[in-house]
Amino acid sequence: AQTVTQSQPEMSVQEAETVTLSCTYDTSESDYYLFWYKQPPSRQMILVIRQEAYKQQNATENRFSVNFQKAAKSFSLKISDSQLGDAAMYFCAYPQGGSEKLVFGKGTKLTVNP
Amino acid sequence: DVKVTQSSRYLVKRTGEKVFLECVQDMDHENMFWYRQDPGLGLRLIYFSYDVKMKEKGDIPEGYSVSREKKERFSLILESASTNQTSMYLCASLSSYNEQFFGPGTRLTVL
Repeated sequence: AQTVTQSQPEMSVQEAETVTLSCTYDTSESDYYLFWYKQPPSRQMILVIRQEAYKQQNATENRFSVNFQKAAKSFSLKISDSQLGDAAMYFCAYPQGGSEKLVFGKGTKLTVNP
Repeated sequence: DVKVTQSSRYLVKRTGEKVFLECVQDMDHENMFWYRQDPGLGLRLIYFSYDVKMKEKGDIPEGYSVSREKKERFSLILESASTNQTSMYLCASLSSYNEQFFGPGTRLTVL
């Protein structure tokens, strides 16, 4: 079965510091997308960043960037200059068998300390 | 802006009741999904639909059914609610850019 593993159930970071959330996945596909989603407390899940596997360049969205290591099947999320509003559950996700169905990791709860 | 709405934010039902969770999206997306979210387990796919009247089982379909009579609406049905179905239920629809847009979720409690 294809899996997505987030090895850090909880992380904390000081405001303005940088934090990296890890994610590994298992696939035999060669072309696929990878996603990081954010779920703030009592709020809607939203897409943070998306990486296309055929692109060697790591995706970046403002303070959010990824470190994509295709051979290692690793897809970590780096949050720079952390803000209080970054506190949330973060989920890594991957399309199952290249289909429209996503497989999600179990999530990492990020706490931002003032 | 894509909007995915769910009929209730909070719902309390009794064991054995038939429960309907409704989801509506306004962006003409073909693919829609129902997930269940439990602490420590992440999101698990219950069912998804790739077109009107078309559906496919996800990873945990037991105890659930779905209905997609119109493109914009995807309903999750608990035929006979049980306490182990107490959970957060999330609906999503899929854009042509492979991004899933989520609704706000329904927190269901079965007593």
